[in-house]
Amino acid sequence: EVQLLESGGGLVQPGGSLRLSCAASGFTFSPYAMSWVRQAPGKGLEWVSSISGRGDSIYYADSVKGRFTISRDNSKNTLYLQMNTLRVEDTALYYCAKGPPFNYWGQGTLVTVSS
Amino acid sequence: DIQMTQSPSTLSASVGDRVTITCRASQSISSWLAWYQQKPGKAPKLLIYKASSLDIEVPSRFSGSGSGTEFTLTISSLQPDDFATYYCQQYESYSAVTFGQGTKLEIK
Repeated sequence: EVQLLESGGGLVQPGGSLRLSCAASGFTFSPYAMSWVRQAPGKGLEWVSSISGRGDSIYYADSVKGRFTISRDNSKNTLYLQMNTLRVEDTALYYCAKGPPFNYWGQGTLVTVSS
Repeated sequence: DIQMTQSPSTLSASVGDRVTITCRASQSISSWLAWYQQKPGKAPKLLIYKASSLDIEVPSRFSGSGSGTEFTLTISSLQPDDFATYYCQQYESYSAVTFGQGTKLEIK
């Protein structure tokens, strides 16, 4: 059974940092692109970032470019999102997803940016 | 970036109805389009990829069509479990994946 388990969310002040992790199991991790997608409270889905299977192709939404860094450790079957210089508008539930297209999703980890 | 526009934003329908949701891309995306269903408090679920291919275990009452810039998701006979929010997503360009704004399917 494919499982994606996010962790690392929490409450942080504006300007602060957080590192999200996504532990994958139930499939061969390394060949597949992985992504982060977020959803602000009561809002729609917003793609954040994607990384290729080998980690050599990386893409970001304009809204996070220069502040967020996606990475992966294929030896640990884990995806990461380092989030720096956080803003109030980054408050959201952050999902880890396999793909695109996103055929498997985690349950999300909540990031709240507030003073 | 490619913009995705869904219509309608809200749709009221009854069990047994046939419903169609439309998604338009601001430029051609060939068939690189997916549809997702999301229920409150749950992660989205992939229904359709490559515009018309049903994902594993998705009921056959769901179908997708279109190519280029105009796409549709059709539910042939609404079931109680289908009331949810639906999103389209383009992945023609991995460098800038985009979602539509969502369509909330409500019980009439």
